Amino acid sequence: NAGVTQTPKFRVLKTGQSMTLLCAQDMNHEYMYWYRQDPGMGLRLIHYSVGEGTTAKGEVPDGYNVSRLKKQNFLLGLESAAPSQTSVYFCASSTRGTGRTEAFFGQGTRLTVV
Amino acid sequence: AQRVTQPEKLLSVFKGAPVELKCNYSYSGSPELFWYVQYSRQRLQLLLRHISRESIKGFTADLNKGETSFHLKKPFAQEEDSAMYYCALRGTGRRALTFGSGTRLQVQP
Repeated sequence: NAGVTQTPKFRVLKTGQSMTLLCAQDMNHEYMYWYRQDPGMGLRLIHYSVGEGTTAKGEVPDGYNVSRLKKQNFLLGLESAAPSQTSVYFCASSTRGTGRTEAFFGQGTRLTVV
Repeated sequence: AQRVTQPEKLLSVFKGAPVELKCNYSYSGSPELFWYVQYSRQRLQLLLRHISRESIKGFTADLNKGETSFHLKKPFAQEEDSAMYYCALRGTGRRALTFGSGTRLQVQP
């Protein structure tokens, strides 16, 4: 059982380049999330999705776009990368509802923008 | 707005010593509180949640609504407890977790 898989694991971009990070989950979860992790700032929510075809902004959405065309996939796009977007990106998924639901995380994507 | 504060970036203890990782939150309603852990080269994973009142790997955490705290405790630290620990909150009706900045726990032999 793969859980949550992120592609790629590492990437170096030049300023102004674009790229897409892919998150795939095989647990039939409704909710999916993209976070970025920066030293001293914890994980901050970029965008999230509560179901196929729906997306919503999180805490730090500027400079990113997302799409959820299929329930199992959540794509994070950077149209014009900036050095400030150098970070480790984590995707997560969870079932609908609250209480005992748990968020499952991917292994992370380390992105460097030079 | 909801916020999670972890005041310590680094906590270093010796093996066998007690551990307390602090977590304070601000939220006007009834939150769900969680502790997540990230061991070296592993993905972030759930350690425990307040609603379950469970003890995992010897760790416990009690939600104190009066002090708005959810501190993580373990009476006797082990070297394998060395990791990054994140406190997280989910507000009523919200789908996403809000994380604190994390505390790195180092357990020395």
